[in-house]
Amino acid sequence: GAGVSQSPSNKVTEKGKDVELRCDPISGHTALYWYRQSLGQGLEFLIYFQGNSAPDKSGLPSDRFSAERTGGSVSTLTIQRTQQEDSAVYLCASSLARTGPEQYFGPGTRLTVT
Amino acid sequence: GNSVTQMEGPVTLSEEAFLTINCTYTATGYPSLFWYVQYPGEGLQLLLKATKADDKGSNKGFEATYRKETTSFHLEKGSVQVSDSAVYFCALSQGAGGTSYGKLTFGQGTILTVHP
Repeated sequence: GAGVSQSPSNKVTEKGKDVELRCDPISGHTALYWYRQSLGQGLEFLIYFQGNSAPDKSGLPSDRFSAERTGGSVSTLTIQRTQQEDSAVYLCASSLARTGPEQYFGPGTRLTVT
Repeated sequence: GNSVTQMEGPVTLSEEAFLTINCTYTATGYPSLFWYVQYPGEGLQLLLKATKADDKGSNKGFEATYRKETTSFHLEKGSVQVSDSAVYFCALSQGAGGTSYGKLTFGQGTILTVHP
């Protein structure tokens, strides 16, 4: 079946602009996670959704970052007033939580802030 | 808080050599442990997992045993191939319940290069 998909695959933006990153999880997966992969920080957790609720937002680095999930499916990660340090690969993962903790990752969105 | 420490890379081996990548963790309770692999130009893939002490996860010739007494989950393969060249990440997640179910904490990754 279809895996986790993310769009766009690459995004180049100017400092100060807003960006939206999209994640389509595996159908039926109730849990959705956003992570960030950067050279300096490795792989970092950002936010976790169970259904449309976000019980854990502890990894969001600042209030410029926000995320939502609608219909228990698609999620959007928004970064406002982008900064150069936001440049990274943003990864989305989903999980059928009730059957086990393993997560399935999308290919990621590479964000470059110039 | 939770943390995962992996042996520093890069690791360079010849084909058919034995591989060990060390991983130790710090966590409360009984986390689940994972190895993920990232092949060049591709996304993260789950390689293997173990959800309780003394469990052995295995896949594609790789294996790792959950050792609670040493808080370790070392990855091993008896005979590596060129196609195993990738970045390997050790990770943990807390169990069910609470606000952070399934949240993964990753090690820093180990780059493996296998030469013919």
